[in-house]
Amino acid sequence: EIVMTQSPATLSVSLGERVTLSCRASQSIRTSLAWYQQKTGQAPRLLIFGASARANDIPVRFSGSGSGTEFTLTISSLQSEDFAIYYCQQYSHWPPNVTFGQGTKLDIK
Amino acid sequence: QVQLRESGPGLVKPSETLSLTCTVSGLSIGGVYYWGWIRQPPGQGLEWIGSIFKSGDTYYNPSLKSRVTISLDPSKNQFSLILRSVAAADTAVYYCAREVRTSLQQVVVNWFEPWGQGALVTVSS
Repeated sequence: EIVMTQSPATLSVSLGERVTLSCRASQSIRTSLAWYQQKTGQAPRLLIFGASARANDIPVRFSGSGSGTEFTLTISSLQSEDFAIYYCQQYSHWPPNVTFGQGTKLDIK
Repeated sequence: QVQLRESGPGLVKPSETLSLTCTVSGLSIGGVYYWGWIRQPPGQGLEWIGSIFKSGDTYYNPSLKSRVTISLDPSKNQFSLILRSVAAADTAVYYCAREVRTSLQQVVVNWFEPWGQGALVTVSS
């Protein structure tokens, strides 16, 4: 099973800051990676798919990059509505399996 | 606009069977998408349970495979989750979601969108 490791577990940031979240796969997943945002009491919301493609209606301040085993989610200028938990998710085609990272929580500094 | 909604009992006794249904509106489940279940124990992260395609093709999380069955009911535009022999560790919010699976630049990728609102299932006697 491919293990996804996100770092850091918690990140304290200020409004307007540039934020970079990391996700590492235990083996190469090429670009089969998605990012989600989850706010308290809500279902996750898709941000990025295919490692770098922005989902519909996602603000341009969100961007994804990486391939193989190292991936990043960048928020160019943090807004108040961005404080949430962010998860990465990989898909392996054979054998078919899906795993999530443990999440990174963005806190207000 | 595609919408999903989970329904089912909120309380299940240990060793019994958890059963949830996801009702899809705005899109036929007989189309080109997979349909999946994901769960989240209180205060913890997300765990994929399994997914199903219109053909009945299913794939499951290996750690849950022996206890899980996912099925489709196209006549009702619903899909369902059965989890047998539950224990306290199965207490979680259970989400259903549409799974998009496609090839981007010769790489098979997937993602889940949209998600249902989630249904809390507590396993307790």
